Amino acid sequence: DIQMTQSPSSLSASIGDRVTITCRASQSIGTSLNWYQQKSGRAPKVLIYAASSLQSGVPSRFSGSGSGTDFTLTISSLQPEDFATYYCQQSYNGPRAFGQGTKVEMK
Amino acid sequence: EKRLVESGGAVKQPGGSLRLSCVASGFFFGDYDMHWVRQTPGKGLEWVSVISWDGRSTSYADSVRGRFSVTRDNSKNSLYLQMTSLRNEDTAFYYCAKETHTVLQGKAYKWLDPWGQGTLVTVSS
Repeated sequence: DIQMTQSPSSLSASIGDRVTITCRASQSIGTSLNWYQQKSGRAPKVLIYAASSLQSGVPSRFSGSGSGTDFTLTISSLQPEDFATYYCQQSYNGPRAFGQGTKVEMK
Repeated sequence: EKRLVESGGAVKQPGGSLRLSCVASGFFFGDYDMHWVRQTPGKGLEWVSVISWDGRSTSYADSVRGRFSVTRDNSKNSLYLQMTSLRNEDTAFYYCAKETHTVLQGKAYKWLDPWGQGTLVTVSS
């Protein structure tokens, strides 16, 4: 089964900062990688699918890149509503494993 | 608006059984594969199970295989998760989610959207 590893597990940032979260797959998954945002007490919602495609309605400050085993989620200018936990997920094959999550906290 | 609503969460003793339900609205339920994902309070997301649009194909995480069973009733726009031999470590919020898909440059891509609000299962003696 494919395993997903995110880093860091948490980070502190300020409004306006550029934030980068990485996700690594245990084997090549092409671009079958999704990113989700989860706010406290809420269900996750998709931000990015197919590694770099922005879900409708998601602000353009969010972007995704990567292929194969290494992927990145970038928030170009952190906004107050972006403090949340972010998860990557592979949709290449087998169990749809998630990364362990990255919590973005206010510095 | 596409919407999923889970129900059935409860407090159960280890070894017990429970059935969760998820009712869909706002989209043609019978066209889509459906998933269950769980989250231990304060922890990360764990994929649990998927069922194909017609109910003929299912898949499970190793942690629940042989104990959980996913089914659906397309006539009722409903998804179910039958949970047996419950363990303390099954304590979690359980979310149902619709698999959305598209084709880009000849390749199919899939992601989960939308998700329900979750239902809490607590396994404790």
